[in-house]
Amino acid sequence: DVKVTQSSRYLVKRTGEKVFLECVQDMDHENMFWYRQDPGLGLRLIYFSYDVKMKEKGDIPEGYSVSREKKERFSLILESASTNQTSMYLCASSTKETQYFGPGTRLLVL
Amino acid sequence: GQNIDQPTEMTATEGAIVQINCTYQTSGFNGLFWYQQHAGEAPTFLSYNVLDGLEEKGRFSSFLSRSKGYSYLLLKELQMKDSASYLCAVRDIRYSSASKIIFGSGTRLSIRP
Repeated sequence: DVKVTQSSRYLVKRTGEKVFLECVQDMDHENMFWYRQDPGLGLRLIYFSYDVKMKEKGDIPEGYSVSREKKERFSLILESASTNQTSMYLCASSTKETQYFGPGTRLLVL
Repeated sequence: GQNIDQPTEMTATEGAIVQINCTYQTSGFNGLFWYQQHAGEAPTFLSYNVLDGLEEKGRFSSFLSRSKGYSYLLLKELQMKDSASYLCAVRDIRYSSASKIIFGSGTRLSIRP
């Protein structure tokens, strides 16, 4: 059974903290993605990766970085969390024809 | 850039049929996805179209016209559990061999008895 897991379902951090969101997939997919979802704005692509150590900026990369050291793991990093990064963060991995999502991490930055 | 448009909200009656439209603009089009998302949950994959025409999968069908930049999701025999948001997403390979998948804002579908 297909599986994408995220390290936390809920996270509370303070402004200025460094935040790591981890995503792991067990399907040997090459493509992985990080999105954030906010009411009225839909899913917006932050970064994606098409291979180990390869990454591409999405539509809203500012304030974020990513790491893909192993094929199964794609990490999203908030270098210095800000209140406007409070959101639902969704990780996904894909084949050419299907994209699978993790359960999401709801991040609150105080 | 890319632009994906779909209606914000729709309402339909249990047992009826509803069509959710999606229009897109991208020069690197390489496939269109439809997802269902219930409140508080992650999106789940419904369909993928890369060629023109209709793909049927049980009560759900998805149509694509690449020349018109247009797709629709058709839901038949609506059930109360179909109340959810439906997301249209486009794969864009314009900039690299990597596949960038971009989402529309989603259509919130409410089913009334």
